[in-house]
Amino acid sequence: DAGVIQSPRHEVTEMGQEVTLRCKPISGHDYLFWYRQTMMRGLELLIYFNNNVPIDDSGMPEDRFSAKMPNASFSTLKIQPSEPRDSAVYFCASSPSRTGRGYTFGSGTRLTVV
Amino acid sequence: GQNIDQPTEMTATEGAIVQINCTYQTSGFNGLFWYQQHAGEAPTFLSYNVLDGLEEKGRFSSFLSRSKGYSYLLLKELQMKDSASYLCAANTNAGKSTFGDGTTLTVKP
Repeated sequence: DAGVIQSPRHEVTEMGQEVTLRCKPISGHDYLFWYRQTMMRGLELLIYFNNNVPIDDSGMPEDRFSAKMPNASFSTLKIQPSEPRDSAVYFCASSPSRTGRGYTFGSGTRLTVV
Repeated sequence: GQNIDQPTEMTATEGAIVQINCTYQTSGFNGLFWYQQHAGEAPTFLSYNVLDGLEEKGRFSSFLSRSKGYSYLLLKELQMKDSASYLCAANTNAGKSTFGDGTTLTVKP
């Protein structure tokens, strides 16, 4: 298994531009999570899906952020328009229904908004 | 609400034992994860405790007391490669985990 695959690994964009982050979870995992990590705020849950359905998006900072999961093998996190304070590492993680196995994280996308 | 506390930094010597503590206050709590994160990398799963007691897995062990809202990760026979951040995460019945800010462990020769 290739694990959780995220793209791109690095993204540098100008303020005001649209940014789309992509994630392919592990096949058979029912849960998909988007986290953001910064030095100041640590690892924050933005949104998570169960069987492709968004369950809790209370961590999404504001309307500039949106996430979709059109099928079991693909999810996107979009920021429009981007701002410098969005600079962070964005992780996608997936897990099976049995939580005892923990989450498997992707390698992350390091986003820099200038 | 969710509140998770763990020390910010710890230092230990190669070959020694170190214990990293974590306290939590979590609604709908149903288990406690520990993850390891090396600098510039993603977190990786170490352990999961659901019931009270100690779970041992090689050099790493994890303990949980649900009544006290307390857990610890015990690392034995420390190696230089154990230098990393260790994240405590409380899982809920809804299936999501809230992470602590992590404890940065530095292992010195």
